[in-house]
Amino acid sequence: SQELEQSPQSLIVQEGKNLTINCTSSKTLYGLYWYKQKYGEGLIFLMMLQKGGEEKSHEKITAKLDEKKQQSSLHITASQPSHAGIYLCGADLSGANSKLTFGKGITLSVRP
Amino acid sequence: KAGVTQTPRYLIKTRGQQVTLSCSPISGHRSVSWYQQTPGQGLQFLFEYFSETQRNKGNFPGRFSGRQFSNSRSEMNVSTLELGDSALYLCASSSLYNEQFFGPGTRLTVL
Repeated sequence: SQELEQSPQSLIVQEGKNLTINCTSSKTLYGLYWYKQKYGEGLIFLMMLQKGGEEKSHEKITAKLDEKKQQSSLHITASQPSHAGIYLCGADLSGANSKLTFGKGITLSVRP
Repeated sequence: KAGVTQTPRYLIKTRGQQVTLSCSPISGHRSVSWYQQTPGQGLQFLFEYFSETQRNKGNFPGRFSGRQFSNSRSEMNVSTLELGDSALYLCASSSLYNEQFFGPGTRLTVL
């Protein structure tokens, strides 16, 4: 089974709607990273969370880390077509900092 | 600051050949990590270099190797290429605060 599970697998939303995607780990989280990727391109860094209960926001995107549940959520407010892409969560599961394990990603489509 | 750069962006090789990919990290970053991304396996960690030393290693065969130079630039080498090595190879440089920033990747196709 996957060490990092992302849900849902894919998501289609109407422009302007809010949405939440999740990343759940089967192991202790030492750090949780969110990235966005356009197909075949590099990963764009969104946020890094390291402490339980930590919450960070950038523009219309907010990410939270629930250490007890070993889970992180990413919330997008008032989605726009520019938010479309693949959202990947990566986690430090060993305390080795730079060795990240990634989930399979969530494909987000935003309908104008 | 300039971002992470990777060269070349695209590469086509045949089975049995070897290939070298290059990565220049963000100025001031001393850690460089390499990842392989395929449709089937997703993103998988290859190895990490810090101050010219391999600090972490993933579960890849010995055909995959890397090195880091004194200016923090890194190269990875794959010898005796197999069809299954076709992938997007991404490198990431880490800040002092452990934020990892990725480059645009090198798309390797093995024929």
